[in-house]
Amino acid sequence: EIVLTQSPGTLSLSPGERGTLSCRASQSVNSNYLAWYQQKPGQAPRLLIYGASRRATGIPDRFSGSGSGTDFTLTISRLEPEDSAVYHCQQYATSLWTFGQGTKVEVK
Amino acid sequence: QVQLQESAPGLVKPSQTLSLICTVSGDSISDGDYYWTWIRQHPGKGLEWIGYIHHSGSTYYNPSLKSRVSISVDTSKNQFFLDLSFMTAADTAVYYCTRVPIIRGVIDTWGQGTLVTVSS
Repeated sequence: EIVLTQSPGTLSLSPGERGTLSCRASQSVNSNYLAWYQQKPGQAPRLLIYGASRRATGIPDRFSGSGSGTDFTLTISRLEPEDSAVYHCQQYATSLWTFGQGTKVEVK
Repeated sequence: QVQLQESAPGLVKPSQTLSLICTVSGDSISDGDYYWTWIRQHPGKGLEWIGYIHHSGSTYYNPSLKSRVSISVDTSKNQFFLDLSFMTAADTAVYYCTRVPIIRGVIDTWGQGTLVTVSS
C-alpha cells in the first residue's frame, strides 16, 4: 500500500498570496498517477489535477500541480477567499487507491 | 450531465449490514468506460476507498474491508450497490458513490454523500 503524507496540516494565508501544498508518497508513484481534489465544508470533493500536472475541466489556471516519483506539489497562486477548503491528494498507480490525510487551507 | 445520488439509511445498529444504493442519472452504467466506486470519509478525517465495480460485474475491494464488503450492479435500474457487514462504530462515516473514467483513473463525478451512523 502506498501511504501518502500531506503537509502542512493547515495553511493560513492572505488573499493574493501563493499557497504550496506537499504530498509525499511512501514509494514511487508510477506514471505520475497522482491527483488533487478540493473539498469545501459540507460538500463532496472536486477534481482539480490529475496525472500530477493536468488541470481538470473548468479549473482555473492559478491551480497547478507538479512533481514526480515520491514528491508532488499543488500550488495555488493568487489565493482567493473561495479557495478556503481541504485539499486531498490521491494515487491511482496501484490497484489499491489511497489518499493523503488532507491539508486545510484558510484564506483570510 | 451525469449525477449520482446515494440512498440514505442514516442509522445502523452494531453488527448489522449497511446497504446503500447509488442511482445514476444522465449516463448509462452499461457504458463500458467507467468504474463505479464507493468511498467513505470518517468525521473530520481523510478519504478511504472501499471498492469498485465495472458493469461487467468485475470488482476490486480495499483489502482492509474485503472480508465485509460486497459491491453489485443492476444495469436495468442504472444503480449500483454497497453492502458492508458487521458494522461497528468505526464504520461511522459519510459514504460517497463516485464515477471513475477507466482511461483517466481518477474520480470525475461524486454523489453528494450520505452520513451513516452506527449506534444502538
